[in-house]
Amino acid sequence: QQQVKQSPQSLIVQKGGISIINCAYENTAFDYFPWYQQFPGKGPALLIAIRPDVSEKKEGRFTISFNKSAKQFSLHIMDSQPGDSATYFCAASILNGNKLVFGAGTILRVKS
Amino acid sequence: DTEVTQTPKHLVMGMTNKKSLKCEQHMGHRAMYWYKQKAKKPPELMFVYSYEKLSINESVPSRFSPECPNSSLLNLHLHALQPEDSALYLCASSQLLSYEQYFGPGTRLTVT
Repeated sequence: QQQVKQSPQSLIVQKGGISIINCAYENTAFDYFPWYQQFPGKGPALLIAIRPDVSEKKEGRFTISFNKSAKQFSLHIMDSQPGDSATYFCAASILNGNKLVFGAGTILRVKS
Repeated sequence: DTEVTQTPKHLVMGMTNKKSLKCEQHMGHRAMYWYKQKAKKPPELMFVYSYEKLSINESVPSRFSPECPNSSLLNLHLHALQPEDSALYLCASSQLLSYEQYFGPGTRLTVT
């Protein structure tokens, strides 16, 4: 119940296209859903996060869509650029809970 | 400023050595974390400090010893490590436990 399932494992998108990464969770107590971007040899960087009281959050080219009833959330990267090529991790946690639960990660490659 | 700094960036140590990893944040965050990350895997939680007290130890072997000297600093003391302990060690901090964790760049540890 503590798992977050992430798909796809890897993704190749043409420059200018839309990258979509999906995550699903079981624990309905989760109330915070962040996405992290990680470049090789670097630490994960907090990209965008959402709480379950909203269905969508947009920051620049990055959008989180949240479906509470389906227990799913997804990251959309609009107008994908080669500089977006990185590993993306979704995660979930409970405020003051014991840990941030990560998905397995998606390796995104944007072809120019 | 959302910066977490870690030193050293790279560390090579023998199985009989004693070394320490250091982490610092000046965001006033009261929760600090150590993670271990293997290649192509998500970060794996090791320890959590909340208000300078150890609140979570994820059954980490005693050859890893955390220390939180003050609210801005976090150390990880290493002793008698094994080659399988080679990984990227990440420090993170957050204002609220488990929310909005900001990661440092990591220390790449190689145990020979």
